[in-house]
Amino acid sequence: DAGVIQSPRHEVTEMGQEVTLRCKPISGHDYLFWYRQTMMRGLELLIYFNNNVPIDDSGMPEDRFSAKMPNASFSTLKIQPSEPRDSAVYFCASSLVGVKVEDTQYFGPGTRLTVL
Amino acid sequence: RKEVEQDPGPFNVPEGATVAFNCTYSNSASQSFFWYRQDCRKEPKLLMSVYSSGNEDGRFTAQLNRASQYISLLIRDSKLSDSATYLCVVKRNYGQNFVFGPGTRLSVLP
Repeated sequence: DAGVIQSPRHEVTEMGQEVTLRCKPISGHDYLFWYRQTMMRGLELLIYFNNNVPIDDSGMPEDRFSAKMPNASFSTLKIQPSEPRDSAVYFCASSLVGVKVEDTQYFGPGTRLTVL
Repeated sequence: RKEVEQDPGPFNVPEGATVAFNCTYSNSASQSFFWYRQDCRKEPKLLMSVYSSGNEDGRFTAQLNRASQYISLLIRDSKLSDSATYLCVVKRNYGQNFVFGPGTRLSVLP
């Protein structure tokens, strides 16, 4: 399997611009997670989906952030408008949860976002 | 108080040394526990799950003390390739909410 795929790997944008991050989970996984990692706050869960349905978005920092999962193989995280404090590494992860399957999360390589 | 706390390190140890990392969590209803490893500028990867009875995987031993809400990771005969940040992860007792600790950085020196 190719693993979790994220694009772009690096994004540099100016304050006020819209940013869209993309994720393709591992085929067959039923959970998808978006995380943000910064030096100050560590790794924080933003939102997660189960079977394409958002389950918990309490970690989304504010209304400027939105996430969608239109189908089982694709998700987006959008920031509009972006601000310098949004600069971070954004990780997507997926997992398969079941009675006999450990809920190990597999992370993508991340998108390093810099907002100038 | 943060929900998951770890020694920040860094831990600088010579090759072959034994090193132990500690982690505490505040939610007594937490359900599952893990150690993840993150190399510099890479994604986190599962190192091992932590079971109540303790478990071992080669040079790595994980222990859980639910009464004290404490998790540990012991690395024996450390290798240069063990240099990384080790993240303690706790799953809450509802949904798939995973809380990551801030991580402990390990540098194994030749």
